[in-house]
Amino acid sequence: RKEVEQDPGPFNVPEGATVAFNCTYSNSASQSFFWYRQDCRKEPKLLMSVYSSGNEDGRFTAQLNRASQYISLLIRDSKLSDSATYLCVVNKKTSGTYKYIFGTGTRLKVLA
Amino acid sequence: EPEVTQTPSHQVTQMGQEVILRCVPISNHLYFYWYRQILGQKVEFLVSFYNNEISEKSEIFDDQFSVERPDGSNFTLKIRSTKLEDSAMYFCASSAQEAFFGQGTRLTVV
Repeated sequence: RKEVEQDPGPFNVPEGATVAFNCTYSNSASQSFFWYRQDCRKEPKLLMSVYSSGNEDGRFTAQLNRASQYISLLIRDSKLSDSATYLCVVNKKTSGTYKYIFGTGTRLKVLA
Repeated sequence: EPEVTQTPSHQVTQMGQEVILRCVPISNHLYFYWYRQILGQKVEFLVSFYNNEISEKSEIFDDQFSVERPDGSNFTLKIRSTKLEDSAMYFCASSAQEAFFGQGTRLTVV
């Protein structure tokens, strides 16, 4: 089983739609969770950290369910500029340092 | 806003040659990483570095690879005797709690 699993998509949605991405992780020792955004041939950019209590940043809401080892990202009122690959990232501490493990990413295309 | 910077942005090298990829992490970060991404594939962990030594390395990070922090600011990845399959984007990252990535070096081995 992969350490971090995501539906690769693509998700094609119209502007203004709400879209949700899911991610599962296999290692219960994982400590921190993040969503990154990656545009084509660019570096991953931190979108938001994910907390057990859930967190919201504008149109973006992230949720973590530790019992189910499940992370979600909800994007409301999609914009054309939201088109990108969304990477679920899990962090665990090993050998005294942190290791960030990436999912394969979910591609989103927002259509005019 | 502080950022991770990488040079060069693109490197073309002949098979069998050595390359050095350079990174300047964010100044107050203590943890440094190299990742690679083969075109169309996921971002893969190569190595983590803390307190001037390797903390963890993946199966990909074999004897062909080495990392160094030659001074207080730079963090380098050396690839000896490059192979065609080393062609990829190489990302450097640094972290305190959240990891921030450089813009990457696209390595093309011909």
